[in-house]
Amino acid sequence: EAGVTQFPSHSVIEKGQTVTLRCDPISGHDNLYWYRRVMGKEIKFLLHFVKESKQDESGMPNNRFLAERTGGTYSTLKVQPAELEDSGVYFCASSTLGSYEQYFGPGTRLTVT
Amino acid sequence: TQLLEQSPQFLSIQEGENLTVYCNSSSVFSSLQWYRQEPGEGPVLLVTVVTGGEVKKLKRLTFQFGDARKDSSLHITAAQPGDTGLYLCAVWGFYNQGGKLIFGQGTELSVKP
Repeated sequence: EAGVTQFPSHSVIEKGQTVTLRCDPISGHDNLYWYRRVMGKEIKFLLHFVKESKQDESGMPNNRFLAERTGGTYSTLKVQPAELEDSGVYFCASSTLGSYEQYFGPGTRLTVT
Repeated sequence: TQLLEQSPQFLSIQEGENLTVYCNSSSVFSSLQWYRQEPGEGPVLLVTVVTGGEVKKLKRLTFQFGDARKDSSLHITAAQPGDTGLYLCAVWGFYNQGGKLIFGQGTELSVKP
């Protein structure tokens, strides 16, 4: 069974540009999460989807970040316009409903210059 | 202020040595998880501890949940180079069939041959 996949693995963009990150969860996992780790800090929660619905987006930093999960399958996280402080590693995780075990993808390393 | 404080932040030891890393908080938790993250990968769940005073073993790794359920430790016996990685503790904010993980900053372990 394939694990959680994320694309791209690395992205380098200039301040002011737009970037879209993609996450494909494990098939059948209705819960999908986005997390972010900025340098020197802990991994922090961004938001949680249950199927296609946003369950909790309390961790989203500001309105430059937009997450979608159309059809309840893959998800995208768009940053527009990107700022220097958005640099970090963005992780996606998925789980089955009611499970305490989340499976993480390898992350997308975003560098904003 | 971080909910979970991990110590030490960095640890470099020789193969065969024993080590203990700690995860502390002033809050009480219903459960606590330990993850390991290797370079270029996402965190992978090692264990979940639920009961105060609980001890769980995973080969050479021993996990303990504090009696008051505020802290936890991870002890590695006879460390191997393959144990190198980032060790993270995390707790759940569980709601509505899913939930977000709250992570500590992690302990970066390097085991030299």
